[in-house]
Amino acid sequence: GQNIDQPTEMTATEGAIVQINCTYQTSGFNGLFWYQQHAGEAPTFLSYNVLDGLEEKGRFSSFLSRSKGYSYLLLKELQMKDSASYLCACMDSNYQLIWGAGTKLIIKP
Amino acid sequence: DGGITQSPKYLFRKEGQNVTLSCEQNLNHDAMYWYRQDPGQGLRLIYYSQIVNDFQKGDIAEGYSVSREKKESFPLTVTSAQKNPTAFYLCASNGGGHTDTQYFGPGTRLTVL
Repeated sequence: GQNIDQPTEMTATEGAIVQINCTYQTSGFNGLFWYQQHAGEAPTFLSYNVLDGLEEKGRFSSFLSRSKGYSYLLLKELQMKDSASYLCACMDSNYQLIWGAGTKLIIKP
Repeated sequence: DGGITQSPKYLFRKEGQNVTLSCEQNLNHDAMYWYRQDPGQGLRLIYYSQIVNDFQKGDIAEGYSVSREKKESFPLTVTSAQKNPTAFYLCASNGGGHTDTQYFGPGTRLTVL
């Protein structure tokens, strides 16, 4: 079956760096998305990776290794507003998104 | 402003009643999607539509129905046949390209009493 795994919850300190991991097993692969979702709100797009390597976008970076079925989202210089859930979603061979359950990130001052 | 709107934000219904959730977009997107989000689970696809007057079932279509009469609108009806309808419902749209990013509306939280 198809499966996306990511940690349920992580805690980090304001100003620090945190890495949120995502492993996937899907039938085919057409890219991996990361979204941010504040409680009770819509998911907002952060990044899309389809080739191996690191994509940097300001304080957020996303990494992909297709051979390992692995991605991570790296958040630098954490701010209190980064407290949210981070959703990993993989696009399979039918171009359907398979979603992980999300990682709730708690930022402490 | 361009975007996706969903209404209402909160909806309460009695068991056994059908209810329709609204989703409108003015992004000129071809494709629209409905997801359900439950605590501790990933988003699950209910229905999607890639073009007007056409739609396909997602993974959990049972107990739901949709229509796509206009490009801008993709309403979802939660019928009395849906066994556990209380959830957060999210509508999304994209340009229709296979790997195009999906953009989400603010969601509707449905509670069935």
